[in-house]
Amino acid sequence: DAKTTQPNSMESNEEEPVHLPCNHSTISGTDYIHWYRQLPSQGPEYVIHGLTSNVNNRMASLAIAEDRKSSTLILHRATLRDAAVYYCILQGGKLIFGQGTELSVKP
Amino acid sequence: DGGITQSPKYLFRKEGQNVTLSCEQNLNHDAMYWYRQDPGQGLRLIYYSQIVNDFQKGDIAEGYSVSREKKESFPLTVTSAQKNPTAFYLCASSTTGALGTEAFFGQGTRLTVV
Repeated sequence: DAKTTQPNSMESNEEEPVHLPCNHSTISGTDYIHWYRQLPSQGPEYVIHGLTSNVNNRMASLAIAEDRKSSTLILHRATLRDAAVYYCILQGGKLIFGQGTELSVKP
Repeated sequence: DGGITQSPKYLFRKEGQNVTLSCEQNLNHDAMYWYRQDPGQGLRLIYYSQIVNDFQKGDIAEGYSVSREKKESFPLTVTSAQKNPTAFYLCASSTTGALGTEAFFGQGTRLTVV
């Protein structure tokens, strides 16, 4: 199974953009890149996903490298409610989670 | 409202007893998943199913069993063979397992074995 690598933690200031990186060098051609986030004691919440092209939705943007071996989740203006663990996942038949990045947001 | 429901939210069992965790979805999703999460850790896949009457082992299936007799239900049994069953268990579903579709998660069941 293809794996993802993310930094353990990141810190941001409120109202500033946040770029959360993810490496997935063993991604296969049919794997979709998904991002979820999880608050303590809750189930993960879908954020965004993509295959090859960059994607935007109301929550975030996803920038995918041309070789697809890495991607970046972009939160355009971090709020305190964005503090969570963010998981980058490859979906190719099953959802395999890595350790995620714990994002803290300072007021 | 459509969604995925796990019950109960908290569950206590004595060591050596089997326990079954419920997961029901009314989203008409084909694929369903079970994950285990330990404190400060990510989610680890226990079992998944892409169609009724079929399921596959994930990374940590030992000590667990599942069934998929109905599309909307995917119960997980934690058997006495599972050495460290105390954990947070999450169920998820998606339209299929092979396409880039959003997965929906339940709110989890926190199992404590004493």
